Amino acid sequence: EVQLLESGGGLVQPGGSLRLSCAASGFTFSNYAMSWVRQAPGKGLEWISSVTGSGGATFYPDSVKGRFTISRDNSKNTLYLQMNSLRAEDTAVYYCAKRPAVGTAFFEYWGQGALVTVSS
Amino acid sequence: EIVLTQSPGTLSLSPGERATLSCRASQSVSSSYLAWYQQKPGQAPRLLIYGASSRATGIPDRFSGSGSGTDFTLTINRLEPEDFAVYYCQQYVSSPLTFGGGTKVEIK
Repeated sequence: EVQLLESGGGLVQPGGSLRLSCAASGFTFSNYAMSWVRQAPGKGLEWISSVTGSGGATFYPDSVKGRFTISRDNSKNTLYLQMNSLRAEDTAVYYCAKRPAVGTAFFEYWGQGALVTVSS
Repeated sequence: EIVLTQSPGTLSLSPGERATLSCRASQSVSSSYLAWYQQKPGQAPRLLIYGASSRATGIPDRFSGSGSGTDFTLTINRLEPEDFAVYYCQQYVSSPLTFGGGTKVEIK
């Protein structure tokens, strides 16, 4: 059974940093691209980053490029999201998500989410 | 960036009725690289449909997807109580990956 478990969320001041983790199990982690998707309170879904199975390539939308960094440790079956220069508008539930296969970019499995609140 | 517009914003229906949800793209979504997700309050989204019309594992056959190009539809036949939720479409033909704003299916 595929399981994705996020951790590391919490309250952070504007301009601060936070690192999220996503522990994966139930599949061969290194074989699959992974992504982060966020959802602001009462709002829709926003894709914010992806990384290939090897970790060799990363992708971001303009809204977080240069501030957020996605990475993975395949020896630990763990995905990370380093978030710097946080803003109030980054307040959201952050989901890690597994993509199904090479060349496809929809989200087959999702974690339960980690809440990040950016506030002074 | 491909913008996805979902309509209606809210659909009020009774159990047993059919729901028809629309997702319109600002540019052609080639190869039908479009997915649908269901999200219930306090839960993560769940994949329903990918490739515009293929049901994900374990999804009941009352859920069906159709469409191509810029117009896509999610149909839910004979609504069950557990189907009342918010539904999102997502395109994965080009970066950035984008989602529609969602359609809430509520009990009438």
